[in-house]
Amino acid sequence: GAGVSQSPRYKVAKRGQDVALRCDPISGHVSLFWYQQALGQGPEFLTYFQNEAQLDKSGLPSDRFFAERPEGSVSTLKIQRTQQEDSAVYLCASSFHLGEVGSLNTEAFFGQGTRLTVV
Amino acid sequence: AQTVTQSQPEMSVQEAETVTLSCTYDTSESDYYLFWYKQPPSRQMILVIRQEAYKQQNATENRFSVNFQKAAKSFSLKISDSQLGDAAMYFCAYLMEYGNKLVFGAGTILRVKS
Repeated sequence: GAGVSQSPRYKVAKRGQDVALRCDPISGHVSLFWYQQALGQGPEFLTYFQNEAQLDKSGLPSDRFFAERPEGSVSTLKIQRTQQEDSAVYLCASSFHLGEVGSLNTEAFFGQGTRLTVV
Repeated sequence: AQTVTQSQPEMSVQEAETVTLSCTYDTSESDYYLFWYKQPPSRQMILVIRQEAYKQQNATENRFSVNFQKAAKSFSLKISDSQLGDAAMYFCAYLMEYGNKLVFGAGTILRVKS
């Protein structure tokens, strides 16, 4: 497809269960981002990949959160031993690049997110 | 750390009228980008408009325009001729030069009345 694709769209997990959320970025996009959006709030940065390299994981809330992008394309966000506070929408975004002054390629394209509910 | 504040949790506008959404931010940087994103119920964030801080001219995209006041660190969005399809959550966001993380405000729900 032409856009960023995330799966599943909805996930219900029992507390303590491990979950894996998938993101298919736009083909050719170098940068990939994960954001966490709590109900009624703005998205908050989790982590950033440039190709397969995870260059920034400063937003991951705990060591239960792990992200990978082994071939520089598809990315997976894994949450181990889920807790109720992990309930949120997890958004993935990709861009050709982000942050270059004067570049026209600074737009980040977002997927529709995965709504995770931990019960 | 940079912060973005949207002080209007909810706004309403009559169809065909004009509405302005407010945003202020805090940064010590001189070069950065500012964005307005729209998030409909489908949850997909859609870029509405972008402003480079080094440009004095306010960005415009059809019915959407911004009032960028760099000294005041203010970045408001004006929607003219509001349409029912404009109803959504709107987020203001900041990106520092060469940065890799967008910093979002808490959002403003925009309701459009027919």
